[in-house]
Amino acid sequence: EAGVAQSPRYKIIEKRQSVAFWCNPISGHATLYWYQQILGQGPKLLIQFQNNGVVDDSQLPKDRFSAERLKGVDSTLKIQPAKLEDSAVYLCASSFTRDSDEQFFGPGTRLTVL
Amino acid sequence: SQQGEEDPQALSIQEGENATMNCSYKTSINNLQWYRQNSGRGLVHLILIRSNEREKHSGRLRVTLDTSKKSSSLLITASRAADTASYFCATDEGYSTLTFGKGTMLLVSP
Repeated sequence: EAGVAQSPRYKIIEKRQSVAFWCNPISGHATLYWYQQILGQGPKLLIQFQNNGVVDDSQLPKDRFSAERLKGVDSTLKIQPAKLEDSAVYLCASSFTRDSDEQFFGPGTRLTVL
Repeated sequence: SQQGEEDPQALSIQEGENATMNCSYKTSINNLQWYRQNSGRGLVHLILIRSNEREKHSGRLRVTLDTSKKSSSLLITASRAADTASYFCATDEGYSTLTFGKGTMLLVSP
């Protein structure tokens, strides 16, 4: 079974630039999550999708972050414009349903904002 | 905000020794999960314990949960160098909305 795929693996941008991350969840998984992990901390949930609908985006900085999952499969997370404090690893995870016990994580995208 | 707080922040042991990590949290939970993260890689689910359970085992892992104290512990027995990683507890307050702690960095030396 293929795992959660993310790209790119690394990205370096200047502040105020835009960046987008892509995630392809495990086939058949209805729930998709985006997390932000700052160095030395645990992951923080940014947004949760159930199929193509948002079920929790309470911690997403909506003035600069946006995410979509138009066809209920893969997803993109965008930052526009980026700030220095956005430097982090962005992790995508998926689970079969919202009631599933386990989330499966991708390898992450390491973003550096200069 | 982060709900779980792991203790210690870092732990260094020799192969064959046991490693114990603790997690404290603040609010009522549906379940508590432990994840492992190897350097530069994604997280891997290790074990889940529900709020009505007190102890759970999986291979060399033993997890306890004390809801009255809002705390959990993860014991890794007979540790191996391959267990070197960061370990995170994550609380689920419902509908898989996980809140992670800051993690414990475990170093197992050969």
